[in-house]
Amino acid sequence: AQSVAQPEDQVNVAEGNPLTVKCTYSVSGNPYLFWYVQYPNRGLQFLLKYITGDNLVKGSYGFEAEFNKSQTSFHLKKPSALVSDSALYFCAVRDMDDTDKLIFGTGTRLQVFP
Amino acid sequence: ETGVTQTPRHLVMGMTNKKSLKCEQHLGHNAMYWYKQSAKKPLELMFVYNFKEQTENNSVPSRFSPECPNSSHLFLHLHTLQPEDSALYLCASRSANNQPQHFGDGTRLSIL
Repeated sequence: AQSVAQPEDQVNVAEGNPLTVKCTYSVSGNPYLFWYVQYPNRGLQFLLKYITGDNLVKGSYGFEAEFNKSQTSFHLKKPSALVSDSALYFCAVRDMDDTDKLIFGTGTRLQVFP
Repeated sequence: ETGVTQTPRHLVMGMTNKKSLKCEQHLGHNAMYWYKQSAKKPLELMFVYNFKEQTENNSVPSRFSPECPNSSHLFLHLHTLQPEDSALYLCASRSANNQPQHFGDGTRLSIL
């Protein structure tokens, strides 16, 4: 079965430190992977995607993600966290059986402390 | 601003009321989606429309009735809802299936 796992419900990091939000996936074939962020009382905002090409993908607000095929991972990273990065982060993969659909992880809450 | 607009932003209704949620996008996207987001639960896909045709009904109760009159507008008609239907309802749209979905800010629905 296809799935996306975000193993951490919450990640805490001090402002200025690097952050990583983990995501692993299980799909057949080559995955299309996405990261979204959700701020309070808002919808999900697209951050970045991996379709093909360079394994390191750069996105909005200084975020990047590294696609690792052997580890079936797509971790979200940022070199220096900001308090304003505090939000809920979702990893998603395109459903290979129904390409209209995305399979979302359960979300990871990032808390950046001053 | 994602280009997807949902109205109303907040809705409180009784279990016997009938109301509708509206979603509008002028991004030229072909597919539109309804999702339900409840506290401490994964995002639930409810309905998918592709070129105005419904392609997915994810076992959603009949008290939720979607309508897609054209590729820019999507409605979710609500009637006889239950307290467990209280949630954030999100609309999304996308162009091609290798492109990201763009989400609206949702309608926060509370059932009394």
